[in-house]
Amino acid sequence: SYELTQLPSVSVSPGQTARITCSGDVLGENYADWYQQKPGQAPELVIYEDSERYPGIPERFSGSTSGNTTTLTISRVLTEDEADYYCLSGDEDNPWVFGGGTKLTVL
Amino acid sequence: EVQLVESGGGLVQPGGSLKLSCAASGFTFSGSAMHWVRQASGKGLEWVGRIRSKANSYATAYAASVKGRFTISRDDSKNTAYLQMNSLKTEDTAVYYCTRRDVWGQGTTVTVSS
Repeated sequence: SYELTQLPSVSVSPGQTARITCSGDVLGENYADWYQQKPGQAPELVIYEDSERYPGIPERFSGSTSGNTTTLTISRVLTEDEADYYCLSGDEDNPWVFGGGTKLTVL
Repeated sequence: EVQLVESGGGLVQPGGSLKLSCAASGFTFSGSAMHWVRQASGKGLEWVGRIRSKANSYATAYAASVKGRFTISRDDSKNTAYLQMNSLKTEDTAVYYCTRRDVWGQGTTVTVSS
């Protein structure tokens, strides 16, 4: 199916590792991107093509894909990482599809 | 600096029309596919559609929710992409972003209400 599934929320304490997953059949055919969105702001690209870090993004952010699941990992989480995170898959030949988003709460 | 700036949002009645613009700077606009994405208040991101470059015949594609009502176009001489929205519904109320995928505008708000 052409859907991407994310858990609505993930909570971690500062300094811990956060893992945000995104699942869907389309991930077996297309790369995935990850976007961070803070309240009142536009989304910002964090990871592209499954695991490439966008320039300016801290090394604490990493991405990986296994089968139909792609994972955004944030190591040594900071309070400033609290945001909504969206996965995206699709290319210029196929419609884009976004995951429903995961709210990361840093307790 | 690579930048996208949307404009044209506002309040419109159901059934009405609105045309959004996306002005690009800092990169070769003519060679880039451009997408529109929207976000209703408190909701997730929804892809609206895209237009490819001249080299790809300016091909367009749309989400099922807007197909037949929305039209995406571009003017490479003005480095601008457009989203023409017709037959607007209350459920079209959202912030509309244009994006190259790696770069996003700040968004423009469309409110469809009587």
